[in-house]
Amino acid sequence: QQQVKQSPQSLIVQKGGIPIINCAYENTAFDYFPWYQQFPGKGPALLIAIRPDVSEKKEGRFTISFNKSAKQFSLHIMDSQPGDSATYFCAATTNTGNQFYFGTGTSLTVIP
Amino acid sequence: KAGVTQTPRYLIKTRGQQVTLSCSPISGHRSVSWYQQTPGQGLQFLFEYFSETQRNKGNFPGRFSGRQFSNSRSEMNVSTLELGDSALYLCASSWRGVELFFGEGSRLTVL
Repeated sequence: QQQVKQSPQSLIVQKGGIPIINCAYENTAFDYFPWYQQFPGKGPALLIAIRPDVSEKKEGRFTISFNKSAKQFSLHIMDSQPGDSATYFCAATTNTGNQFYFGTGTSLTVIP
Repeated sequence: KAGVTQTPRYLIKTRGQQVTLSCSPISGHRSVSWYQQTPGQGLQFLFEYFSETQRNKGNFPGRFSGRQFSNSRSEMNVSTLELGDSALYLCASSWRGVELFFGEGSRLTVL
């Protein structure tokens, strides 16, 4: 059973567009929600993360929107660039932090 | 500071064999976790170790095992390999259990 559901599976946008990736969860014990970026041949790297006490967090061109009541969170990439082409994973964990639950990933392609 | 190092990076095995993968965490990180990555399934949690103790284990058969040494280095072992075990195996280390730092993975192909 997938504890974190991610959509879409793939996404193609033009340079400058704003791709949005969505994730949903059921476990209300989750209290840390990171997003990871993975380039081919590399391991995932932390991009941005949020805790449920805030509804939005912005770091550079990346923004997480968090809706605690709906148990959903999303990643927005402003002014997307070809270099943003990668696979993005959302994840969630509890306060023990010793097991992360990942979404199935979104392959993003930004066309120049 | 050196990142997480995984060896070997690529390996090919046949069904029924066993394999051992190694992970050296970032210096000072005492938590090491392992994930299996396959297309369409994302990252599936295998197990997590902290100070040589397994704190958590994912929903994988007993053929998958691991251990952590006193220097925080970790190994995972898969016995009696099956075709479905073909995957990228990722190791991640953490200092406070919040941010995971991943290695580049060990890509296992089972023929």
